Amino acid sequence: KQEVTQIPAALSVPEGENLVLNCSFTDSAIYNLQWFRQDPGKGLTSLLLIQSSQREQTSGRLNASLDKSSGRSTLYIAASQPGDSATYLCAVVPSGSARQLTFGSGTQLTVLP
Amino acid sequence: DAGVTQSPTHLIKTRGQHVTLRCSPISGHKSVSWYQQVLGQGPQFIFQYYEKEERGRGNFPDRFSARQFPNYSSELNVNALLLGDSALYLCASSTTPSGGLQPQHFGDGTRLSIL
Repeated sequence: KQEVTQIPAALSVPEGENLVLNCSFTDSAIYNLQWFRQDPGKGLTSLLLIQSSQREQTSGRLNASLDKSSGRSTLYIAASQPGDSATYLCAVVPSGSARQLTFGSGTQLTVLP
Repeated sequence: DAGVTQSPTHLIKTRGQHVTLRCSPISGHKSVSWYQQVLGQGPQFIFQYYEKEERGRGNFPDRFSARQFPNYSSELNVNALLLGDSALYLCASSTTPSGGLQPQHFGDGTRLSIL
């Protein structure tokens, strides 16, 4: 059974810092990996999707990497801003017929002005 | 274009009652998935429908059921509600069943509280 772990559970940084959020998964047989952002009481916003054959994806100040063999992904946020404060979730889609997302519990990020 | 829309946004029920949650996918999306998110945890997969057929089912009891209509909208039904069913219920749509190059797009969810 695939398990996804995100460490740390919570992170507080001053504005302007670069930061890294970590995600690990137990089964390397994945189809893709997605990073989402969730604001309090809201749904999920897709940030980046990495196919299993890719090593990284970039969007603006965000960069996500994937090391499938070691079961790890990182989300790098450059020059953090208070508006980046949210919970960040990673999720994997396993290979095979079952294509649902398996999520980690998220990292709650607070960027202090 | 409108995103994924869910109704109602909030709902309060008592134990033993029944509830129906509704989801309208993004126009052109034929796949709809349902997730349950308990406070402080990541979403847990409940169902996936594609072209009106069930494509996947998570580890939830038979009290949970769903269906997809010809216009690709979907309903999630939960019978005999328990206190533990209190959660944010999220609907996601995509062009294909969770795989491929397209991410899943989520609605803002229905907050269900059981008293």
